[in-house]
Amino acid sequence: DQQVKQNSPSLSVQEGRISILNCDYTNSMFDYFLWYKKYPAEGPTFLISISSIKDKNEDGRFTVFLNKSAKHLSLHIVPSQPGDSAVYFCAASNSVSSGSARQLTFGSGTQLTVLP
Amino acid sequence: DAGITQSPRHKVTETGTPVTLRCHQTENHRYMYWYRQDPGHGLRLIHYSYGVKDTDKGEVSDGYSVSRSKTEDFLLTLESATSSQTSVYFCAISDRAGNEQFFGPGTRLTVL
Repeated sequence: DQQVKQNSPSLSVQEGRISILNCDYTNSMFDYFLWYKKYPAEGPTFLISISSIKDKNEDGRFTVFLNKSAKHLSLHIVPSQPGDSAVYFCAASNSVSSGSARQLTFGSGTQLTVLP
Repeated sequence: DAGITQSPRHKVTETGTPVTLRCHQTENHRYMYWYRQDPGHGLRLIHYSYGVKDTDKGEVSDGYSVSRSKTEDFLLTLESATSSQTSVYFCAISDRAGNEQFFGPGTRLTVL
């Protein structure tokens, strides 16, 4: 049973418009959330994160919103650019006992295509 | 970019053969992780390490073992490869618990 779900496998938006990528989770113990971007044949790269004590975090064109009551987070990209075309993964974590190493649970990803 | 390399980058092997993948970091980070990426599943944690000789299992650890004899190297071993282990394998590192993880370029493994 997937604890982190990205229900949209793909999304297409026009250059300059807003891209909204969504993610839902089921585990109420998750307390830290991240977004990663992945280009083909490369490893994922960290984009932005948010702690469960916040409901919004902004970094340039990227904003992540967290709705804890709905167990939902979203990534907004404004304005979208062709270089943003990639697969976006959301991930969630909670601390574990062994050496306090956090484990990330990933969604299945959303392919974003920004059309020029 | 974090200094993470993975070797080999591509490997084709036959069912039943042993395979070892290597992750090497130059960042002196404490935590290292092995993930596999499969269509429809995102990335799933196989094993992780929280220090030299300290490792623990992740979500999909069956059929895999790991070793970390020094800070910079984290090895993933498939004792007897199966076709279900055909995947792209990513190594990741982080410097503190709770910090973001930085990923290597990946190893594409095909088991025939």
